[in-house]
Amino acid sequence: QKEVEQNSGPLSVPEGAIASLNCTYSDRGSQSFFWYRQYSGKSPELIMSIYSNGDKEDGRFTAQLNKASQYVSLLIRDSQPSDSATYLCAASNSGAGSYQLTFGKGTKLSVIP
Amino acid sequence: NAGVTQTPKFQVLKTGQSMTLQCAQDMNHNSMYWYRQDPGMGLRLIYYSASEGTTDKGEVPNGYNVSRLNKREFSLRLESAAPSQTSVYFCAGGTAGNQPQHFGDGTRLSIL
Repeated sequence: QKEVEQNSGPLSVPEGAIASLNCTYSDRGSQSFFWYRQYSGKSPELIMSIYSNGDKEDGRFTAQLNKASQYVSLLIRDSQPSDSATYLCAASNSGAGSYQLTFGKGTKLSVIP
Repeated sequence: NAGVTQTPKFQVLKTGQSMTLQCAQDMNHNSMYWYRQDPGMGLRLIYYSASEGTTDKGEVPNGYNVSRLNKREFSLRLESAAPSQTSVYFCAGGTAGNQPQHFGDGTRLSIL
C-alpha cells in the first residue's frame, strides 16, 4: 500500500511568517511530487510540482525534495490570510498503478492576521 | 478554457436511486480519474482511465461503474445509491502518471 503522510494540523502561523508544510512518502520509486491547495468547499488546485532533489521556487512558494529521505516540503514565505487552506501533498506511483497519484490527507494551514 | 467540467454541482438522491455524474475535459488529457473526498479520509480513487478505451478500479470501486465515452468524457454511475456514498466527488484529468492531475469543481452528492 503506497502512502503519503502529512500532519493534519491545524498549523497556525502569524501573517508575514514562514509556513512550513511537510510530507513523507513510502514508494521509493516515486518520481514526481505535487502540492495542491484546497480552500474549504472548493477543489484541489495545483500550486507546485517538483521532480528532482533540491529546491524549486515560485514566487512566495518553495518546494523541497529529498528522495533519499523520502521527504517533500513546501515553504510559504510572507504568509497571508488568503493562504489559509488545506494543502495536499501527492506523489506519483511507480510500478503497478503508475498512472495514479497517491495523495496525503492534507495539512490545514491557518494564517492569523 | 473550461478545463475539467463536472455536472451536476449538487444532487440529492434517495436510497436505491441511480444517477450518472458527468465529466468532460478540454485539456487533451489522456488519463481521467474519479475520486471521492470525505472528512478525515482524504481523496480516494474510485476508478480511472489511463487512456481512451481502458478503465481500471481504484481503491474504492464497489457500488460504482464508469464509462470512458471518448477522450474528453468520463462518467461515473451509481446504480443503486446508498447513504454511504454521500460524499464530494471530483473528476480529474492528467497527461501521464508522472504529471499532475487537474481537478474539476466537484459534485456534492447527498443520499437520504
